[in-house]
Amino acid sequence: DAGVTQSPTHLIKTRGQQVTLRCSPKSGHDTVSWYQQALGQGPQFIFQYYEEEERQRGNFPDRFSGHQFPNYSSELNVNALLLGDSALYLCASSPGGTRFWGPNEQFFGPGTRLTVL
Amino acid sequence: GENVEQHPSTLSVQEGDSAVIKCTYSDSASNYFPWYKQELGKGPQLIIDIRSNVGEKKDQRIAVTLNKTAKHFSLHITETQPEDSAVYFCAASKGGNKLTFGGGTRVLVKP
Repeated sequence: DAGVTQSPTHLIKTRGQQVTLRCSPKSGHDTVSWYQQALGQGPQFIFQYYEEEERQRGNFPDRFSGHQFPNYSSELNVNALLLGDSALYLCASSPGGTRFWGPNEQFFGPGTRLTVL
Repeated sequence: GENVEQHPSTLSVQEGDSAVIKCTYSDSASNYFPWYKQELGKGPQLIIDIRSNVGEKKDQRIAVTLNKTAKHFSLHITETQPEDSAVYFCAASKGGNKLTFGGGTRVLVKP
């Protein structure tokens, strides 16, 4: 059973460029969340996709956008890259919706290391 | 919004000793508290979690306790081994699956 996969592993971009990161959720999961992890810090929630719609969003500017496809895979797009966007971008998947007992377990992929020069 | 604080930031223990990491959260509506282990170059791995209707949960050498009144929860690792060396993160969530993470604890187990 494949876990969460992300591509690419590493990426180097220059300021002002645009980048697209990809994520395939764990088998049986239909909800995808994206997190940004700066060096030495905990992950920060960017947004979550369920049923091909953005359901929740963290405190990130509109330069960060996403998409979910019918097969539940997801993309994270970042426009007009800034030096401060350099980070590890993590994708997490979970079973759909929210159960009556609360949030579902989230499983993380290995991340994409983005370096902005 | 929710704020999660985690202590200590670094923890060095002798192999075989116990390790304890503590977290506090601000939003009393939070009802799900997972713990993740992150090794160098890898994504966070879920190691144990607890929900607000439970006070304690144990899985082999790992246990988590939750005090809803005080809004804090702790991770206990007993009989530590070198492979327990990693960065550990606590997190809190209240519906919708958004996780708010603490700043992390770097644990070093010395053989």
